[in-house]
Amino acid sequence: DSGVTQTPKHLITATGQRVTLRCSPRSGDLSVYWYQQSLDQGLQFLIQYYNGEERAKGNILERFSAQQFPDLHSELNLSSLELGDSALYFCASGESSYNSPLHFGNGTRLTVT
Amino acid sequence: AQTVTQSQPEMSVQEAETVTLSCTYDTSESDYYLFWYKQPPSRQMILVIRQEAYKQQNATENRFSVNFQKAAKSFSLKISDSQLGDAAMYFCAYTPGWLESNFGNEKLTFGTGTRLTIIP
Repeated sequence: DSGVTQTPKHLITATGQRVTLRCSPRSGDLSVYWYQQSLDQGLQFLIQYYNGEERAKGNILERFSAQQFPDLHSELNLSSLELGDSALYFCASGESSYNSPLHFGNGTRLTVT
Repeated sequence: AQTVTQSQPEMSVQEAETVTLSCTYDTSESDYYLFWYKQPPSRQMILVIRQEAYKQQNATENRFSVNFQKAAKSFSLKISDSQLGDAAMYFCAYTPGWLESNFGNEKLTFGTGTRLTIIP
């Protein structure tokens, strides 16, 4: 158990809808990272938050947004969903200190129909 | 920008044999970390092994070891005595070192993965 909790595990929704994915980081970790994994692909970095502030941005669409709350949990909001947004969305957390590794949650499987 | 390349989409190995998965990367930085992650059918991302670029000694974790060739920018994973539970997707990943990452951005750049099948 990595200590990173993602909910829900599965999500099925229709095109054009909006969903929210939630992540609770490992206790003590200040950074949260979101990754997208499309079918049989590697993980693509979306965005990082550190202690409530956006720290780094990757290939995140304008239809997607994220935030990190004072209790350090994070939410990834996906709107105007398209079929191509179907993927596994991972959250990872880290201490953001020297030599600290990332810890991954089990992911949320999003299916857009 | 850093890139990570895994040129073997699929590999297979007989149970109890040894297999090597390849990974190359491109970076202009001198301080960085390299990782191998395992993703079994349960889809968890499990850290297998980590290598720090400034350490010349190759990392080892039980049956897993790496061959880190910094000049060639190569980072291969060797699995000895393969077991059925080793069947998974394996991803090579890169992250900049502490100073290069602006003090705490551990963003990982992943390769596209190698699917490893273990033949009983």
